[in-house]
Parts: sequence; structure tokens; C-alpha cells
Amino acid sequence: TQLLEQSPQFLSIQEGENLTVYCNSSSVFSSLQWYRQEPGEGPVLLVTVVTGGEVKKLKRLTFQFGDARKDSSLHITAAQPGDTGLYLCAGTQYNNNDMRFGAGTRLTVKP
Amino acid sequence: GAGVSQSPSNKVTEKGKDVELRCDPISGHTALYWYRQSLGQGLEFLIYFQGNSAPDKSGLPSDRFSAERTGGSVSTLTIQRTQQEDSAVYLCASSPRRVGYGYTFGSGTRLTVV
Repeated sequence: TQLLEQSPQFLSIQEGENLTVYCNSSSVFSSLQWYRQEPGEGPVLLVTVVTGGEVKKLKRLTFQFGDARKDSSLHITAAQPGDTGLYLCAGTQYNNNDMRFGAGTRLTVKP
Repeated sequence: GAGVSQSPSNKVTEKGKDVELRCDPISGHTALYWYRQSLGQGLEFLIYFQGNSAPDKSGLPSDRFSAERTGGSVSTLTIQRTQQEDSAVYLCASSPRRVGYGYTFGSGTRLTVV
């Protein structure tokens, strides 16, 4: 089983719609990050959240870290075709050296 | 360089052969990570280097996998006696600090074992 469970696994929407993707775990994280990956490229960091309950906004993207530091969500407003990609969450646990990734949500935004 | 550089970008090898994958991290980044991504999957942690400390090898799937980091910079991931299940994209990332801060990833090496 994955340490971080992402849902939905696939999401296909029309341009202009809103969407939310989720990243859940039974473990507590010291920090959590969201990445976007396009075909043939490595993941690109979007945001890092470190405080329980924290909300960060990046243009049309809103990221939230759960109060208990076990989960996170990514909300996209008025999605555009350029938002298409694989969205990965990654968390760092206390006393661990590495970052563990979820399996990702593959988003397709149709024009 | 400006980013993390990986080479080769693509590698096709015959089953049973050894392969070496190279990663040039961002200059000055003390932390370096290797991950593996199978088709349609998330990233699987392989190994982590931090400065001159002993690497965290806990993610290496078998003793056929090994990695070195010379002079605190360039890293090489070696897979011996490759198997078809080793086929994947191998991603390298570097970070200026310890875990919890943003990683910069390379574009990966796509390994195909035939």
C-alpha cells in the first residue's frame, strides 16, 4: 500500500471547470509538497506546506495542509488546458531522510 | 549548470547487461536523490546522499542496484545484470538542504531492458 493515497487517479474535465484532488495518509508529515509532471520531464515543484491548516495560493491553484498534517488538497479554479499533467504529492515524515510520493492524479483539461 | 542534468536520456539494453546512469546535480546542492518511476506510477525512492554522510540506501530494490556520489557532486546509479522489471524512468533530484525543502528534478533516464 502507498504511504500517500491520491484521488482521483484520473480526472478529465472541460476548460473553465473547477476541480479538487486529494492526498491522504494515516501518517503525520513534517512537510508536504505538490509537484506537476509533464510527459518526458521530471516533476516540477509547485508548493511546500509545513504548518497544519496552512493554505497557500498560486494563481488559480489553492493548496491546503490538513490540521493534523496527514492530508492535503489541491484546488484548481477555472482549469485551462495548460494545467494538464500528472499531479504528485510528496511527504516527509519526522526522523526520515527521504520524501515519499503518492501515485499521482492524472489531469486532462479539454479545450 | 542551471538545472539537474541526467544522461543518457534514453537507454536500451539487453537483459543481463550492466548499465550506468549519471546525474549532475545543481552546483552547491548538498542533497541528491534517486527515484524510479514505472509507467503510469508515482515515484519510488531508491537512495539519498547528503553531504559526506553515509547514504540512505533503504530504497534500493536488490543488491544489483548501487550508487555512488563522487566529490559530493556527480552521482552514478549502476544496475548490474539488468532484468526486464528494471525498465522504468530513473529520476535524479537535488536540494540545497535536508529533506522538507523543494527538490529540483532532472528529466530522467528512460531505461528499457529487452
